[in-house]
Amino acid sequence: DSGVTQTPKHLITATGQRVTLRCSPRSGDLSVYWYQQSLDQGLQFLIQYYNGEERAKGNILERFSAQQFPDLHSELNLSSLELGDSALYFCASSFSPRARDTQYFGPGTRLTVL
Amino acid sequence: SQQGEEDPQALSIQEGENATMNCSYKTSINNLQWYRQNSGRGLVHLILIRSNEREKHSGRLRVTLDTSKKSSSLLITASRAADTASYFCATDAEETSGSRLTFGEGTQLTVNP
Repeated sequence: DSGVTQTPKHLITATGQRVTLRCSPRSGDLSVYWYQQSLDQGLQFLIQYYNGEERAKGNILERFSAQQFPDLHSELNLSSLELGDSALYFCASSFSPRARDTQYFGPGTRLTVL
Repeated sequence: SQQGEEDPQALSIQEGENATMNCSYKTSINNLQWYRQNSGRGLVHLILIRSNEREKHSGRLRVTLDTSKKSSSLLITASRAADTASYFCATDAEETSGSRLTFGEGTQLTVNP
């Protein structure tokens, strides 16, 4: 158990819908990262937040958005869902926002878009 | 796009044998990390090696890093059936104000009892 929690574990929804994925970082960690894992794209970095502020952005679609709240939990919002958005979405956390800390991953949310 | 490339893509060995997986990357890095993923589940951190380190050990794991060749290897000694999983290398390059991990495509390791 990494200490990073994600809810829900599974999500099944229809095209065009909007969903929210939630992540709570390890106790003491200030930085949260979101990654998407799909069969065709592999593991892709989406976005990073540190203490409520966006710090790095990857291949995140405009239909997707994220935020980190004062209690440090983070939410990833996916809207106008398409079949290709079906994937495993992982959240990771670390103490520092910079490239010197281990990132600990949560168990993931499996999103299925029908 | 994936920076890292793992080699081989799949590896099947017998319990007790050693397993070696290789990773190559393209740009300068700060750290390289190895993760394990059991089928469809979360990523488990195995080991982090910094760019100024050449070798690191953790239990049955041995990681090497050659920054001149932009490559790393993960050796699992005395493998067990429970080691069956996908193994990913991830490079971490520092950005202006944050960081990200760039993953390879992974090696699927099967350890047969």
